[in-house]
Amino acid sequence: QKEVEQNSGPLSVPEGAIASLNCTYSDRVSQSFFWYRQYSGKSPELIMSIYSNGDKEDGRFTAQLNKASQYVSLLIRDSQPSDSATYLCAVNGGNNNNDMRFGAGTRLTVKP
Amino acid sequence: DAGITQSPRHKVTETGTPVTLRCHQTENHRYMYWYRQDPGHGLRLIHYSYGVKDTDKGEVSDGYSVSRSKTEDFLLTLESATSSQTSVYFCATGSGGVGETQYFGPGTRLLVL
Repeated sequence: QKEVEQNSGPLSVPEGAIASLNCTYSDRVSQSFFWYRQYSGKSPELIMSIYSNGDKEDGRFTAQLNKASQYVSLLIRDSQPSDSATYLCAVNGGNNNNDMRFGAGTRLTVKP
Repeated sequence: DAGITQSPRHKVTETGTPVTLRCHQTENHRYMYWYRQDPGHGLRLIHYSYGVKDTDKGEVSDGYSVSRSKTEDFLLTLESATSSQTSVYFCATGSGGVGETQYFGPGTRLLVL
């Protein structure tokens, strides 16, 4: 079992729809959770971080964390073609101490 | 992130040759990291540094060594490159701690023939 799992996709949504990206992690003591966006051929850039159970909103993005279920998700409202990218889930603060563990990413395509 | 640069950005080399990749930061971050990114595996940590001359191994450290002689520079060396080390290498920096955000450099594409 991978430490951080994501559906590889591709996930395709129409412009204006809600895109839902999911991630599960295996290290129960993990404390910090991140979503990065990576455009093709580019480096990852941070979108959201979340540390407590519940929802955290930032503009069109909402991160959701459920530590009991070891589950973190990212919702993108009013999806735009410019949101088309690969989204990486990352988890830190578990038994690996300072190691950040990344999922393989979910590729999102937003169709005009 | 303009505060993190990597050199070279692209490199083609032959099996058995040594290769050194450089990461330079102007962020004054204490922590620096080297990752490799391969299809289906995502980003995997190779080595990291938590200060000048202080380094530790990551998940996939075999065949790699690192050095950090200055806060701003973190070098990754492939002592004898193999085809399995063909990858995209990213440097990242952060302030450290379990809540830290890591910021990534532009990446280096390495092809080992």
